[in-house]
Amino acid sequence: DAGVIQSPRHEVTEMGQEVTLRCKPISGHNSLFWYRQTMMRGLELLIYFNNNVPIDDSGMPEDRFSAKMPNASFSTLKIQPSEPRDSAVYFCASGDGTKSYNEQFFGPGTRLTVL
Amino acid sequence: AQSVTQLGSHVSVSEGALVLLRCNYSSSVPPYLFWYVQYPNQGLQLLLKYTSAATLVKGINGFEAEFKKSETSFHLTKPSAHMSDAAEYFCAVSDLDAYSSASKIIFGSGTRLSIRP
Repeated sequence: DAGVIQSPRHEVTEMGQEVTLRCKPISGHNSLFWYRQTMMRGLELLIYFNNNVPIDDSGMPEDRFSAKMPNASFSTLKIQPSEPRDSAVYFCASGDGTKSYNEQFFGPGTRLTVL
Repeated sequence: AQSVTQLGSHVSVSEGALVLLRCNYSSSVPPYLFWYVQYPNQGLQLLLKYTSAATLVKGINGFEAEFKKSETSFHLTKPSAHMSDAAEYFCAVSDLDAYSSASKIIFGSGTRLSIRP
């Protein structure tokens, strides 16, 4: 069991550049979640998918952020153009969404620094 | 809507002392509750969860939590703190989307636990 896989683990980019974060959920899980964590705002849910369909994207900060899940084994979070305030750790998590008592499994995170 | 409130953003205890991290929930339906732990530079991992089978739930690393409906609480405890327990702890509650029946987890703001030698 490889767990949730995120890439890259670290990303340093300059303001205005496009950033793409990638996530491979645990096989068999039908729900996928993208979070952002900062010291100031804590852990924020950005968007989540169920059966590859976006359910709630109300946490996406603005139009510069977009997320896709083209199939059950892959998701991307894109920021275009990136800004220094986007610097944070971005987590992907997956779970079995068929039962409300099922927990989420988190990936190791991608630490993004926008200069 | 479901929510959780964690009392105290930072708790410090001596090694060997009792650990008590407080969490209160608000839910319109019988809740499913979780405690997660985050060690430095890592993702969150599940400590324990309450699914209504038993009010006292035992988790990993000697932690346990008791569900008290009358107090709407789900406090996390450990009898004797160890240096390796230093981490951030998140209380959370499950929330069901009415339209899709998909579930998500709503996290509290976290409590940072420090252990004094």
